[in-house]
Amino acid sequence: GQQVMQIPQYQHVQEGEDFTTYCNSSTTLSNIQWYKQRPGGHPVFLIQLVKSGEVKKQKRLTFQFGEAKKNSSLHITATQTTDVGTYFCAGRRSSNTGKLIFGQGTTLQVKP
Amino acid sequence: DAGVTQSPTHLIKTRGQQVTLRCSPKSGHDTVSWYQQALGQGPQFIFQYYEEEERQRGNFPDRFSGHQFPNYSSELNVNALLLGDSALYLCASDGGYGYTFGSGTRLTVV
Repeated sequence: GQQVMQIPQYQHVQEGEDFTTYCNSSTTLSNIQWYKQRPGGHPVFLIQLVKSGEVKKQKRLTFQFGEAKKNSSLHITATQTTDVGTYFCAGRRSSNTGKLIFGQGTTLQVKP
Repeated sequence: DAGVTQSPTHLIKTRGQQVTLRCSPKSGHDTVSWYQQALGQGPQFIFQYYEEEERQRGNFPDRFSGHQFPNYSSELNVNALLLGDSALYLCASDGGYGYTFGSGTRLTVV
């Protein structure tokens, strides 16, 4: 079945350092979404990527969708303590009605 | 606020018992998905409801069943609870661009 893998599982950085998490799917995706879950909270939608090679930015966050639409990345520039949490990618294999499959997440810790 | 509402927030049940979790989606959202999130893991897809029908299902046994009502609210039922069913159960409503999750129900099976 469809699988979505994320690396690394954990990342500890010093405040101000950059952070990147990578997401790989076993199948071609129609779109990929990213979510952030704070400790004790629930996933919160960040962004959706649809097009091959698409790049989107939200302030210090940069999201990329691979050319083959099987991988994606999230890069945070100059991390802040408010960036702490677990970042999940989630992919859909077909159309906007397909089930959304989540990766296992990358947990980011930021040391002040 | 017209966010996703889940109840109860916490629940403790004994092995073998049955449980019903409830979800009211965001206003105007007609599609509801249920996820199980074990500690330290990503959300695992249970099933999705649209127009009162189960549209898609993940790899969960038949002990997990659901329902969607005409007002789009939904229930998740789990029968014959096992210790391994202890998890955070998340409901998500789909407005066509990203899911809105509820705060979840923390189920503990003892």
